[in-house]
Amino acid sequence: QKEVEQDPGPLSVPEGAIVSLNCTYSNSAFQYFMWYRQYSRKGPELLMYTYSSGNKEDGRFTAQVDKSSKYISLFIRDSQPSDSATYLCAMSRNRDDKIIFGKGTRLHILP
Amino acid sequence: NAGVTQTPKFQVLKTGQSMTLQCAQDMNHEYMSWYRQDPGMGLRLIHYSVGAGITDQGEVPNGYNVSRSTTEDFPLRLLSAAPSQTSVYFCASSLTTGFSGNTIYFGEGSWLTVV
Repeated sequence: QKEVEQDPGPLSVPEGAIVSLNCTYSNSAFQYFMWYRQYSRKGPELLMYTYSSGNKEDGRFTAQVDKSSKYISLFIRDSQPSDSATYLCAMSRNRDDKIIFGKGTRLHILP
Repeated sequence: NAGVTQTPKFQVLKTGQSMTLQCAQDMNHEYMSWYRQDPGMGLRLIHYSVGAGITDQGEVPNGYNVSRSTTEDFPLRLLSAAPSQTSVYFCASSLTTGFSGNTIYFGEGSWLTVV
């Protein structure tokens, strides 16, 4: 079993819909949970992160962590065509341990 | 403040040729790394460095070489290019190896085709 699993998609949704992106993981020692956004022909950029369990909201984006289920989610409300990108989840135990990335989910928001 | 700068952006190589992908950062980050990204495979760590003079292998190091003579520069060398090395390469830097609230900064990527 891979440490981090992420459905590669592609996921196509109409503009304005709520998008749910998910990752599962196997290592219960992960403490930091990150979401990176990668536009076509660009490097990944950190979108947001969560420490331990709980939710974090930033504008239209909400990151959710359920450590009991080893499951993390990123929700995008009122999705826009500019949200079309690949979204990678990533996890880390601490500042000294390498970050593990999911394979990324390609998201298309249809105008 | 340029962040992480990678060159070249695009390169076509013939099988057996060697080349170096350049990476430089101006944020005084100790940790630098090279990834390759292939369809369906995600980001795979090739080599990384926790400081000048220190390098180590990642998940897919074969066929690649690195050195870290300064904090700023972390070049990736392809010793004898093979078609299997056709990929997009990303250099990244951060304050620490792992994550504790700090951001990893990625370069714009280098598209390499080996024919």
